[in-house]
Amino acid sequence: QKEVEQDPGPLSVPEGAIVSLNCTYSNSAFQYFMWYRQYSRKGPELLMYTYSSGNKEDGRFTAQVDKSSKYISLFIRDSQPSDSATYLCAMSALRGAGSYQLTFGKGTKLSVIP
Amino acid sequence: DVKVTQSSRYLVKRTGEKVFLECVQDMDHENMFWYRQDPGLGLRLIYFSYDVKMKEKGDIPEGYSVSREKKERFSLILESASTNQTSMYLCASSSIDRVGEKLFFGSGTQLSVL
Repeated sequence: QKEVEQDPGPLSVPEGAIVSLNCTYSNSAFQYFMWYRQYSRKGPELLMYTYSSGNKEDGRFTAQVDKSSKYISLFIRDSQPSDSATYLCAMSALRGAGSYQLTFGKGTKLSVIP
Repeated sequence: DVKVTQSSRYLVKRTGEKVFLECVQDMDHENMFWYRQDPGLGLRLIYFSYDVKMKEKGDIPEGYSVSREKKERFSLILESASTNQTSMYLCASSSIDRVGEKLFFGSGTQLSVL
């Protein structure tokens, strides 16, 4: 079983839809959870960051973490064509002496159709 | 804003050539990373560095080496480029605080080896 599983999509939705992107993980040592957004031919950019179970909201984006189920989600409300990108989940665990093991999902490609 | 700058957006090289990919960050981060990103395979860690003149192998170091002579600069070297090294190369630096490590990526270098 891979440490982090993410459905690659592609996912295509109409403008204004609510989008749900998900990752599951197997390593219970993961403590910190991130979502990166990557536009075509660009580097990933950090979108959301959380370290506890529950929800974190930032504008149209909500990150949700369920540590008991080892499941994280990113919700996008009122999706826009500018949200079209690949979304990567990432998780990290403390390895000791202030260093972290960071593991990425393979990314889900999202297209928002006008 | 954190800025991670990669010297080239696109490179075309011949098989057997020695290739240098340069990366500079302006946020005084201790940690720097080199990843490659391929369709279906996601991000794979090549090498990372937690200090000047220090390097550690990632998941796929074969065929690569790195150099970190100054804190802000981290170079990836392909000693003898091969066609299977055609890929998108991403440099990152990271900040660490009480809630973990966050990576900041450059825009990437699309390398084609012919």
